[in-house]
Amino acid sequence: KAGVTQTPRYLIKTRGQQVTLSCSPISGHRSVSWYQQTPGQGLQFLFEYFSETQRNKGNFPGRFSGRQFSNSRSEMNVSTLELGDSALYLCASVAGRSTDTQYFGPGTRLTVL
Amino acid sequence: GDSVTQMEGPVTLSEEAFLTINCTYTATGYPSLFWYVQYPGEGLQLLLKATKADDKGSNKGFEATYRKETTSFHLEKGSVQVSDSAVYFCAQGGDDKIIFGKGTRLHILP
Repeated sequence: KAGVTQTPRYLIKTRGQQVTLSCSPISGHRSVSWYQQTPGQGLQFLFEYFSETQRNKGNFPGRFSGRQFSNSRSEMNVSTLELGDSALYLCASVAGRSTDTQYFGPGTRLTVL
Repeated sequence: GDSVTQMEGPVTLSEEAFLTINCTYTATGYPSLFWYVQYPGEGLQLLLKATKADDKGSNKGFEATYRKETTSFHLEKGSVQVSDSAVYFCAQGGDDKIIFGKGTRLHILP
């Protein structure tokens, strides 16, 4: 069974631009969660989608948004990028409940200049 | 709100030393408890888990026991290897979300 894939793996943007990251969950998994990981703040929850609906949301500004498609693939978008958005963005897929085992992708490393 | 607290790192040990990484949680009820590990350049992967009180999760020589009375889930390994160098995350899953600790970086010296 293929694992969670994230594209692109690395991205460099400048302040003010927007970016879209993609995540393909494990086949059959209907839930996708997104996390931001930075050295200072650790792992922070962004949002979770289940069957194309946002099921949970973390404490991030509205510049961070996401969506999920009918094939369970998910995208997250960050508009008006700031330097502080530089981070590793991880997505995780879960077979069912949010509290079940999460399977993480390798992440997208975003650098904002 | 609910939270997970784990010991701050980095933790540096010599090969074959005994490892303990402390983790406590604050959820009421009986959340599922997890340890995830992140190797350099990779995403997190599940190391072990326990779903009810007194359960012991184990994998790759690592163990952790779900202690309801002390709300703890400490990670232990009897003899660490250089390949165990990574960041370890404790997490709790309850209600409708999973909460991660801040992570503990572990360095093992040969």
